[in-house]
Amino acid sequence: GAGVSQSPRYKVTKRGQDVALRCDPISGHVSLYWYRQALGQGPEFLTYFNYEAQQDKSGLPNDRFSAERPEGSISTLTIQRTEQRDSAMYRCASSLEVTGHYGYTFGSGTRLTVV
Amino acid sequence: GQQVMQIPQYQHVQEGEDFTTYCNSSTTLSNIQWYKQRPGGHPVFLIQLVKSGEVKKQKRLTFQFGEAKKNSSLHITATQTTDVGTYFCEISSGSARQLTFGSGTQLTVLP
Repeated sequence: GAGVSQSPRYKVTKRGQDVALRCDPISGHVSLYWYRQALGQGPEFLTYFNYEAQQDKSGLPNDRFSAERPEGSISTLTIQRTEQRDSAMYRCASSLEVTGHYGYTFGSGTRLTVV
Repeated sequence: GQQVMQIPQYQHVQEGEDFTTYCNSSTTLSNIQWYKQRPGGHPVFLIQLVKSGEVKKQKRLTFQFGEAKKNSSLHITATQTTDVGTYFCEISSGSARQLTFGSGTQLTVLP
């Protein structure tokens, strides 16, 4: 696609429910990154993939968070047993190659609200 | 984990004045990225700096990477109202891409 597409744009869920956030990167982009951004703060790194391989998941807050990119394209970030503190904007970015030399493109994000 | 300090947190300038934001790390960086985020928008990639002492220009924007690769700056000459937004640096160091964003500098340009 022309840009990084994230869905849904908004998600309201009840505490304890599982949610799956989707990221469709720019076609051909090798690397895909997940971030979480609280209002008024910079994005917080969660995890990233080169192709289908998860390279670093050190930013995932706890084991309720997981991500996959099984075919090296679309990625899903899953949060199990959501808690109110999980409420944030979740952002995905992709880059053409692993060094990021040609830049990173962010999607518009998914605003998650846990009630 | 890595830490990066970005200053100032806020900056108000009169249109036409210059603006600079700084990022400082205690560790040597592999590279640094700069982004601009408009209110309600998503971060937009501006540039990546890789080499020690590197200076890159994009129209009125000048980006510098320190000789020791521990600090960087973004300078805007003669600000315009379209420059309004929050400017973030993002650092990575070591072989793994452990990416850390600075806290951002929120720029307000008064007409």
